[in-house]
Amino acid sequence: DAGVIQSPRHEVTEMGQEVTLRCKPISGHDYLFWYRQTMMRGLELLIYFNNNVPIDDSGMPEDRFSAKMPNASFSTLKIQPSEPRDSAVYFCASSLFSGGGTDTQYFGPGTRLTVL
Amino acid sequence: DAKTTQPPSMDCAEGRAANLPCNHSTISGNEYVYWYRQIHSQGPQYIIHGLKNNETNEMASLIITEDRKSSTLILPHATLRDTAVYYCIVRVGNSGNTPLVFGKGTRLSVIA
Repeated sequence: DAGVIQSPRHEVTEMGQEVTLRCKPISGHDYLFWYRQTMMRGLELLIYFNNNVPIDDSGMPEDRFSAKMPNASFSTLKIQPSEPRDSAVYFCASSLFSGGGTDTQYFGPGTRLTVL
Repeated sequence: DAKTTQPPSMDCAEGRAANLPCNHSTISGNEYVYWYRQIHSQGPQYIIHGLKNNETNEMASLIITEDRKSSTLILPHATLRDTAVYYCIVRVGNSGNTPLVFGKGTRLSVIA
């Protein structure tokens, strides 16, 4: 398997523009997570899905952020409008529920977003 | 908030064992201890996990104290490629896949 795939790997945009980050989880995985990493706040959860349904979006900063998972093989994280403070590395991760706390999350390479 | 405490940084000579400590004094009976690492500019990578018994895999060993209030990740023969930030995470493991709550981790530098 190719692992979790994220695109683009790097994105530079100007304040006010719409940004869409994409994620393809590992085939067969039923959980998908979006995390964000900054120097100030470290790695933090934004939202996660189970079987394409959002379970917890309490980490989404504000209404400018939205995430969708239209099918089991694709998810998007959209920021509209983007602001300089959104600059961060965004990671997508997926896992397969196996019970008993033995699940492993597999992370993608991340998308480095810079908002000017 | 992270439920673990780790030293911010450690050094280790190449070829020697790296012992990374983690305190989790408030761990509950149904919480597992997980270790992930993040090599520079990459996504976090799973290393190992355990509940109460010591565990070993091809990457590392995990030693959990009998009272489960602390643990140690052991990289038996550290190489330069093991230079990374290591995260110790506790999480409930019997009710579906819960998100990972990352603390600041330990930055391990392996020195030639």
